[in-house]
Amino acid sequence: DGGITQSPKYLFRKEGQNVTLSCEQNLNHDAMYWYRQDPGQGLRLIYYSQIVNDFQKGDIAEGYSVSREKKESFPLTVTSAQKNPTAFYLCASSTYDRGVQNIQYFGAGTRLSVL
Amino acid sequence: SQQGEEDPQALSIQEGENATMNCSYKTSINNLQWYRQNSGRGLVHLILIRSNEREKHSGRLRVTLDTSKKSSSLLITASRAADTASYFCATNIQGGANSKLTFGKGITLSVRP
Repeated sequence: DGGITQSPKYLFRKEGQNVTLSCEQNLNHDAMYWYRQDPGQGLRLIYYSQIVNDFQKGDIAEGYSVSREKKESFPLTVTSAQKNPTAFYLCASSTYDRGVQNIQYFGAGTRLSVL
Repeated sequence: SQQGEEDPQALSIQEGENATMNCSYKTSINNLQWYRQNSGRGLVHLILIRSNEREKHSGRLRVTLDTSKKSSSLLITASRAADTASYFCATNIQGGANSKLTFGKGITLSVRP
């Protein structure tokens, strides 16, 4: 059963705590992405990675960190420096091949709330 | 305004009617894509149109692209209650990182039974 798996579905963060959101894909995609979605704001890109061991900041990277040690995995850490982390977080993946269309496939999301 | 802006922000129609949603963008693109999101779920890709294409069809979906006006429209014909969702346009910008998409804020479509 191919696809993208995000876990957990719901996550609660205490003040000053770092939390890590998991994203795993078995689609053999090179590129992976993290988005944040707030009500009425659409999707905003946090980080993306087009190849293992390399990643780039998106539009709202401050207070977040990522790693890409394996092709299948792209975990996102929400650090204590992110003062307003309450949001719906979406992970996606796509092929990455110049000249080829890049449809993105999304996970079901993680809803993060602050206690 | 941002790269992709959808119009209207919200649309309410009766089942069986057609729904037309519009997207405008600012910079030249490689392709434009439409996605759908059911409440509390991830996005699902609907259709992609390349910059050298003017119209594409997929089932009840019809997408047009006018690069001179930097705009696209998504038409859903014979709408069903199950089409109720948010719809997003996303652009793959020319000259940018090849895989990166820029999403609009979305259109909320409600189809009344």
